[in-house]
Amino acid sequence: NAGVMQNPRHLVRRRGQEARLRCSPMKGHSHVYWYRQLPEEGLKFMVYLQKENIIDESGMPKERFSAEFPKEGPSILRIQQVVRGDSAAYFCASSLERGVPLANTEAFFGQGTRLTVV
Amino acid sequence: GQNIDQPTEMTATEGAIVQINCTYQTSGFNGLFWYQQHAGEAPTFLSYNVLDGLEEKGRFSSFLSRSKGYSYLLLKELQMKDSASYLCAVRVNRDDKIIFGKGTRLHILP
Repeated sequence: NAGVMQNPRHLVRRRGQEARLRCSPMKGHSHVYWYRQLPEEGLKFMVYLQKENIIDESGMPKERFSAEFPKEGPSILRIQQVVRGDSAAYFCASSLERGVPLANTEAFFGQGTRLTVV
Repeated sequence: GQNIDQPTEMTATEGAIVQINCTYQTSGFNGLFWYQQHAGEAPTFLSYNVLDGLEEKGRFSSFLSRSKGYSYLLLKELQMKDSASYLCAVRVNRDDKIIFGKGTRLHILP
């Protein structure tokens, strides 16, 4: 059972370009979370999605950032017109649908995409 | 608002015991998680508490008091490989998003 897959692992973009980060959740998982992590800091919640639905995007900047989780295919975090301050590690996590009778429904993390804006 | 507090850094000696505390104030509560994160790597799941009490798993134990909004992670027989950041996270009941504290960087001395 493959884990959460993120690609690319490293992404370099010039200021003003677009960055597309992809996340394929674990098999059977229908919840996806995106987090941003700056060096020496914790994980900052950005957005929480279910298939074809944005549940909570309260942590995502209103401009330039968007996220989707289509019925088919990976979840995409899109950053338009990137700026130097967008440089960070972006982690995706997935979890089972709420209500599934398991001991816990922890989120499993991908290896992250490290975005560098030059 | 949502707030999760934990110490920024701690230092302990190889072979010793260390307790990392976490306090939280959130609009809802549906479970507390501890994750370990080594530098440059993804967080990995350590423990989950939803009821009050202690959960033990090998060298790691996690405790929860819902009435006090408090948890701790206890690491015994510390090894050098335990040097990492330890992240406390809460699943907020209303919409199931998971919110993380800023993490505690644990340094292990030989």
